[in-house]
Amino acid sequence: KQEVTQIPAALSVPEGENLVLNCSFTDSAIYNLQWFRQDPGKGLTSLLLIQSSQREQTSGRLNASLDKSSGRSTLYIAASQPGDSATYLCAVRRDALIFGKGTTLSVSS
Amino acid sequence: GAVVSQHPSWVICKSGTSVKIECRSLDFQATTMFWYRQFPKQSLMLMATSNEGSKATYEQGVEKDKFLINHASLTLSTLTVTSAHPEDSSFYICSAAGTSGPNEQFFGPGTRLTVL
Repeated sequence: KQEVTQIPAALSVPEGENLVLNCSFTDSAIYNLQWFRQDPGKGLTSLLLIQSSQREQTSGRLNASLDKSSGRSTLYIAASQPGDSATYLCAVRRDALIFGKGTTLSVSS
Repeated sequence: GAVVSQHPSWVICKSGTSVKIECRSLDFQATTMFWYRQFPKQSLMLMATSNEGSKATYEQGVEKDKFLINHASLTLSTLTVTSAHPEDSSFYICSAAGTSGPNEQFFGPGTRLTVL
């Protein structure tokens, strides 16, 4: 059974810092990996989707990498801003997306 | 990306009643739909997967007779919480995909259910 782990569970940083969120998964037989953002009480916002054949994807200040063989992904956020404060969820898909428990990020001004 | 809608966005009901939540894919044909549940400060947990015209496949621990899923068309799936109890209060999120495999899953905005 696929298990997805995210470290750290929570992170507080001052504005402007670069930071890395980690995701690991136990079964490397995946089709893709996706990073989401969730604000309190809200639905999901898709940030980046990496197909299993890809190594990384970039969108603005966000960069996600995927090492399928080792079962790891990282989400890099450059020059963090208070508006980046949210919970970040990593999910991997074979039959259905399976989610990690998320990293709750707080960026202070 | 494709658009998935859910209705209602929130619902409050009395214990013992049934509640139906609709999930629609607005601009693509969803051969597969997924239902997730999220308790406060928890992650999304997959409840069931349904393919159009077939019976849903439920995850371990999810009661199929309590959470009735219907996927009668390529654009609509419904989740009915039968005889709801306060412990069923949660955030229910649906997701749709054109097919299995590497295709992206698109998520609805979620439905917050509160059972009194």
